[in-house]
Amino acid sequence: DGGITQSPKYLFRKEGQNVTLSCEQNLNHDAMYWYRQDPGQGLRLIYYSQIVNDFQKGDIAEGYSVSREKKESFPLTVTSAQKNPTAFYLCASSKGDTGGTSLSNQPQHFGDGTRLSIL
Amino acid sequence: AQKVTQAQTEISVVEKEDVTLDCVYETRDTTYYLFWYKQPPSGELVFLIRRNSFDEQNEISGRYSWNFQKSTSSFNFTITASQVVDSAVYFCALRRGGSNYKLTFGKGTLLTVNP
Repeated sequence: DGGITQSPKYLFRKEGQNVTLSCEQNLNHDAMYWYRQDPGQGLRLIYYSQIVNDFQKGDIAEGYSVSREKKESFPLTVTSAQKNPTAFYLCASSKGDTGGTSLSNQPQHFGDGTRLSIL
Repeated sequence: AQKVTQAQTEISVVEKEDVTLDCVYETRDTTYYLFWYKQPPSGELVFLIRRNSFDEQNEISGRYSWNFQKSTSSFNFTITASQVVDSAVYFCALRRGGSNYKLTFGKGTLLTVNP
């Protein structure tokens, strides 16, 4: 079945350590996204990518980095510069623009999330 | 700037009651899209519905119905005859038209349906 796979489900980070969250999709979607969810805060956009080898900062990109070397994969690295990394991280994907026709009304499909905590 | 407000932080009902989740949005765009997502305890967000700004028809899908009113900038969600399985956090979200894919989410409403 097509879908979005995030791993690991739970992740612990030590002080000063970088950690990478995996996100893979087999939906053939062009666009991928990373969100952070904190209690009572809703979802906030960290980074998004509309096409391979291109990505843009979202609303809270500081302390995070991403890459988009393959269409199917959009890993998120939480760097040591992110001082408050404890949160639930959600990856999403959606169809993108094709042939000049905007498909930005396409819904985003989400993975199961990764819960990151500090040791 | 875009904004989505879900004023109800938590709602608790008894099974079979009807419940309405409110969503009010702010945008200066004439073309935009509204979404509702459900987040069960497992964490994954499940897409429920999309509505275009130029289509104000209300929609019904089984026990779910949505009331979109541009005059009041609202996109409310009603669950009829609620069930325990409806217990989840529900998010309303807004996206601009064009090639900007950013979704602006409300803070969510936690719905608890008690047996």
